[in-house]
Amino acid sequence: QVQLVQSGAEVKKPGSSVKVSCKASGGTFSSYAISWVRQAPGQGLEWMGRIIPILGIANYAQKFQGRVTITADKSTSTAYMELSSLRSEDTAVYYCAREGVVCSSTSCYPPHNWFDPWGQGTLVTVSS
Amino acid sequence: QSVLTQPPSASGTPGQRVTISCSGSSSNIGSNTVNWYQQLPGTAPKLLIYSNNQRPSGVPDRFSGSKSGTSASLAISGLQSEDEADYYCAAWDDSLNGYYVFGTGTKVTVL
Repeated sequence: QVQLVQSGAEVKKPGSSVKVSCKASGGTFSSYAISWVRQAPGQGLEWMGRIIPILGIANYAQKFQGRVTITADKSTSTAYMELSSLRSEDTAVYYCAREGVVCSSTSCYPPHNWFDPWGQGTLVTVSS
Repeated sequence: QSVLTQPPSASGTPGQRVTISCSGSSSNIGSNTVNWYQQLPGTAPKLLIYSNNQRPSGVPDRFSGSKSGTSASLAISGLQSEDEADYYCAAWDDSLNGYYVFGTGTKVTVL
């Protein structure tokens, strides 16, 4: 049973960066994908990007290209999401989620799938 | 980037059936499977339906999903008070370099 535990809440100044961690337990970390999804206060869900640890490949939503970096440390089964040039509109709860794919050193099957489980969420507040 | 369109709200009395629609396009729902997530107040989303109409273990059978063309729907039959939550559809979109797209979300209220 995979469980995801995220780092704690952060308060950041506009223009700075934030790095949120997501530690996985259970399952084989390198064999699945981890996505990051955010939710602004009172708003819906927004996919930011994902990483496939065994392939070392990350891809990002166009909206966040150039501002987000998603990485993974296989030795600690931890994924990271770093968002730079923060502005007030980035105030949100950030979630990591395991994607139900099985990845080898060459590809994932299926190529994309559902999200389960989710981490508990990390509130990032951007305020001067 | 597109989003999937859902009604902002739906409601029913206990025991009633409630249906939530999710409208997309050929590049997302028309080409890929749909998943549904339930988000109870103050908690992380939870997978409710996957691959259009499959229920994960532990999800009551009063929840069901379907898909036709570029639209999908979630039905809750025998509505219960604990079903009061936000519901989101989601699918992969093949346009651009590919990305996940979520629905706009539907708040279900049990009257």
